[in-house]
Amino acid sequence: GQQLNQSPQSMFIQEGEDVSMNCTSSSIFNTWLWYKQDPGEGPVLLIALYKAGELTSNGRLTAQFGITRKDSFLNISASIPSDVGIYFCAGQFSTGANSKLTFGKGITLSVRP
Amino acid sequence: DVKVTQSSRYLVKRTGEKVFLECVQDMDHENMFWYRQDPGLGLRLIYFSYDVKMKEKGDIPEGYSVSREKKERFSLILESASTNQTSMYLCASSFWRIYNQSPQHFGDGTRLSIL
Repeated sequence: GQQLNQSPQSMFIQEGEDVSMNCTSSSIFNTWLWYKQDPGEGPVLLIALYKAGELTSNGRLTAQFGITRKDSFLNISASIPSDVGIYFCAGQFSTGANSKLTFGKGITLSVRP
Repeated sequence: DVKVTQSSRYLVKRTGEKVFLECVQDMDHENMFWYRQDPGLGLRLIYFSYDVKMKEKGDIPEGYSVSREKKERFSLILESASTNQTSMYLCASSFWRIYNQSPQHFGDGTRLSIL
């Protein structure tokens, strides 16, 4: 199946730094989602975006739905050690029963104290 | 808060066994999903269901079947387990809204090892 493009596979930052992650697709989506997965746990929803151009914040996290509907970014400000984990983007173009999500492979974020 | 509960966090089974993975959600969601997650491959959809007794194949259904007898419960069945089915299995659920479905919420996963 189709996958979204997330790169690089891993990112290493210093505590206190900001970090930005991008997600791109060859197809348009009506919904963009960002999830975080801690080791040994399931993905947890961070932010959901439903409208092109939408900018949404959740604490230190900010995400935007690209104008072209083919991309989204997630920004984490003032990183802390508990931000460590895998960050997935997911896109959806659902009509009725065709309700599958398309996922990126994720970016593993490491934060150095 | 949405709660998606998977019956086991860790499971070890032998090749050829029939394996059942259970998932229960407590939010009356119509849609339920089973994924497997492997390093370098990301999340891949195995099966999903948008109503009781309804099921749809995902991207990698071979070797698996599912059962949805009640709205809150979605079971994944490995008919004859093989070593290449060793993986992390994730269950998710969502509900319908006017224009699309709500975001999917995931369980904590079952790490299955087939020996």
